[in-house]
Amino acid sequence: GAGVSQSPRYKVAKRGQDVALRCDPISGHVSLFWYQQALGQGPEFLTYFQNEAQLDKSGLPSDRFFAERPEGSVSTLKIQRTQQEDSAVYLCASSFTGVNEQFFGPGTRLTVL
Amino acid sequence: AQSVTQLGSHVSVSEGALVLLRCNYSSSVPPYLFWYVQYPNQGLQLLLKYTSAATLVKGINGFEAEFKKSETSFHLTKPSAHMSDAAEYFCAVSVTDSWGKLQFGAGTQVVVTP
Repeated sequence: GAGVSQSPRYKVAKRGQDVALRCDPISGHVSLFWYQQALGQGPEFLTYFQNEAQLDKSGLPSDRFFAERPEGSVSTLKIQRTQQEDSAVYLCASSFTGVNEQFFGPGTRLTVL
Repeated sequence: AQSVTQLGSHVSVSEGALVLLRCNYSSSVPPYLFWYVQYPNQGLQLLLKYTSAATLVKGINGFEAEFKKSETSFHLTKPSAHMSDAAEYFCAVSVTDSWGKLQFGAGTQVVVTP
């Protein structure tokens, strides 16, 4: 596809369940970012990949959050033992390099009950 | 460290009137500055960016922004609002040694009235 895609678009989880959110970046984009957007707030940085290397994970809120990009293309954000405060829209963005324009996917809206 | 402040969480403008969205930043090093727009249930779309070239930056859909270092501001304007401009707008900053990661303001919701 021409843009960044994310799946699922909507996810409802019971508290304590594990979830996995997928991001398909634009082909050839080296850099991949994950952001978390709480209701009524701006996106907040979670983690950054350059190819398969996770160079910055300073924004991950707890050790329940884990991200990977094993082959330098598709990335998965995993949240273990989900809590209600994890409810948010999770945005993925990719760029040719880190300092170039970031192209955002539509996001995955996670609701934890 | 850097931060972004957007003044006004909601702005209402009449169709045809000036749109002015305010953004102030703080950064210890020269920043890159961005404005993004978000339509409901969609990802963010880049409107324009400042990367230390011209201080007046023109973007898509008739928007422009002026970088004022003395005021640490990067306000977004459009001379004449259109109904299709109704959306949420985010100002963001990144610095050269941060992999390009963006720090966003809280956003301004724009409502356009006929």
